[in-house]
Amino acid sequence: SVLTQPPSASGTPGQRVSISCSGSSSDIGSDYVYWFQQFSGSAPKLLIYRNNQRPSGVPERFSGSKSGTSGSLAISGLRSEDEAHYYCAAWNDRLTVWVFGGGTKVTVL
Amino acid sequence: EVRLVESGGGLVQPGGSLRLSCAVSGFTFSDYYMDWVRQVPGKGLEWVGRTRDKLNSYSTDYAAFVKGRFTVSRDDSQKSLFLQMNSLKSEDTAMYYCVRSGKVPWLDYWGQGTLVTVSS
Repeated sequence: SVLTQPPSASGTPGQRVSISCSGSSSDIGSDYVYWFQQFSGSAPKLLIYRNNQRPSGVPERFSGSKSGTSGSLAISGLRSEDEAHYYCAAWNDRLTVWVFGGGTKVTVL
Repeated sequence: EVRLVESGGGLVQPGGSLRLSCAVSGFTFSDYYMDWVRQVPGKGLEWVGRTRDKLNSYSTDYAAFVKGRFTVSRDDSQKSLFLQMNSLKSEDTAMYYCVRSGKVPWLDYWGQGTLVTVSS
């Protein structure tokens, strides 16, 4: 994958979990970071757009940030229902394509 | 309510063709770009291509792996998006999702996907 994410992350209920997403000057460095949540057997759902904006209905415990060519998703107050795969994405303006990270599986211990 | 419903997936032999469709409702289809994203079972997301809106001349962009084999098109009068896939390979086996795009927040609504299996 063009964007680099850790394959897994975990935490106990109530903890804070953070997921990184590393890109380049042509994608994250020049555009926004997006985050998607995907439960097993379901379609992805937009979780964060434009680095740190939450669509309506997304709980405040999900937050995003960006610094340089990296983005980050944080889940605070982890819940069992947050167990899912999380993907980052960005538009690559040099290649004119959307690029995705390989995904991070979040496990609630 | 925004809805995107894909259809047209199935089993096809290597070298064959398939045309996927995505019927939408609940929003003004003609105002949006539309994208296709695929996912190999058990793997990550991979962007396939997009069509812009009429204002942007319905221009298209594609991932490098498409290499002229796939064509994204749309019919605004029918509120439908299409993906014509030719010269299919086993590595094209995946769930294909249509996704609304082109306006903030971008990639905000996804269909449930249609499964394409390329195998002899």
